[in-house]
Amino acid sequence: DAKTTQPPSMDCAEGRAANLPCNHSTISGNEYVYWYRQIHSQGPQYIIHGLKNNETNEMASLIITEDRKSSTLILPHATLRDTAVYYCIVRVTGATNKLIFGTGTLLAVQP
Amino acid sequence: GAVVSQHPSRVICKSGTSVKIECRSLDFQATTMFWYRQFPKKSLMLMATSNEGSKATYEQGVEKDKFLINHASLTLSTLTVTSAHPEDSSFYICSADLSGSWIGEQFFGPGTRLTVL
Repeated sequence: DAKTTQPPSMDCAEGRAANLPCNHSTISGNEYVYWYRQIHSQGPQYIIHGLKNNETNEMASLIITEDRKSSTLILPHATLRDTAVYYCIVRVTGATNKLIFGTGTLLAVQP
Repeated sequence: GAVVSQHPSRVICKSGTSVKIECRSLDFQATTMFWYRQFPKKSLMLMATSNEGSKATYEQGVEKDKFLINHASLTLSTLTVTSAHPEDSSFYICSADLSGSWIGEQFFGPGTRLTVL
């Protein structure tokens, strides 16, 4: 599975959009980009995933660059409850399905 | 959505004892479950893949005789930390795949905090 690089931490004002970047320059053509988040002392929570098209669901939007070497997770209106560590993971779906977590980004939403 | 539970949520034990942690998929069947360990302020580290009806697959560096995994049914996997020592104190998290799902989304349990005295 390809390695990902994320900034260790970010701040965001409550009510504003949070844009979390992820670099995955070695991604292969059959690897998906997944985003999970982990609120303190809880299990990770699935957010969204995509292959090459931009995706949107009730939680967030995922923007993947045309060359697929990077992506951005967008939380459109961050709330205090969105404070968490966000993990960007790339892997081949349908293989072993195991997730290898990197160091993630600690997003702190400020009031 | 699919729910994964873990029991117990926290456990304190004496050094040298064994501790069993259960992971259950409550409303779906899971052919495959995963066990992770997380130390304070660190990321999740995959320990092993638990396969229903067969032996678990351990990640490199994880001692299979120390961390015993049993996946006897499609809804239950157990992790037993044998002869626990203080360095085994950690947050243990399991996850489960929705059997037959092509999406590959994993559902995580709430975690079990183990403290070995």
